[in-house]
Amino acid sequence: GAVVSQHPSRVICKSGTSVKIECRSLDFQATTMFWYRQFPKQSLMLMATSNEGSKATYEQGVEKDKFLINHASLTLSTLTVTSAHPEDSSFYICSAREGGGEHRYFGPGTRLTVT
Amino acid sequence: GENVEQHPSTLSVQEGDSAVIKCTYSDSASNYFPWYKQELGKGPQLIIDIRSNVGEKKDQRIAVTLNKTAKHFSLHITETQPEDSAVYFCAASSGGGADGLTFGKGTHLIIQP
Repeated sequence: GAVVSQHPSRVICKSGTSVKIECRSLDFQATTMFWYRQFPKQSLMLMATSNEGSKATYEQGVEKDKFLINHASLTLSTLTVTSAHPEDSSFYICSAREGGGEHRYFGPGTRLTVT
Repeated sequence: GENVEQHPSTLSVQEGDSAVIKCTYSDSASNYFPWYKQELGKGPQLIIDIRSNVGEKKDQRIAVTLNKTAKHFSLHITETQPEDSAVYFCAASSGGGADGLTFGKGTHLIIQP
């Protein structure tokens, strides 16, 4: 079946630094990838949608200059949290859509802790 | 935009009994309704989905029903087992795949042995 991987699974960084999270579709080409954020015991909140080769579309309230998304190929999207602050600490999860299908396959998530 | 409400937030059932989780949505244009199971510290896993042109779908112990008129859909798990314990999320989408999903707030399902 379709597999989505994320790297790293956990990262701890200092306030003010930047962190890059990778999302890869391992056995299919993902025309669209989505980034979500999930705070403890809460639901997943969509941050942005990215299509290969074009700029990401951000949800209302999500700062595009803080959360940089690059979808450079059909199997890789990256999320960079710039100038991270403790309030950015969260579980970041990507999902990928295969071709014209409706299924979204989720990655295992990345736990970001900003100290 | 879309708003998805999910109930209950916590559900405890005896092993072997059935569990039902209900969701309502607000956007009549929504046409795709997946259900995900999330275990602690992991990403969500798709367990079943339904499209707006179908009223019911079943896969072994799991079934989903959709009432488009009332804008609600439900997850039914029969013969529950300890490994069914997890957080379950319903979601809705209207973009035919192009849009991200709007999730409900989740239901923590606890299966009592």
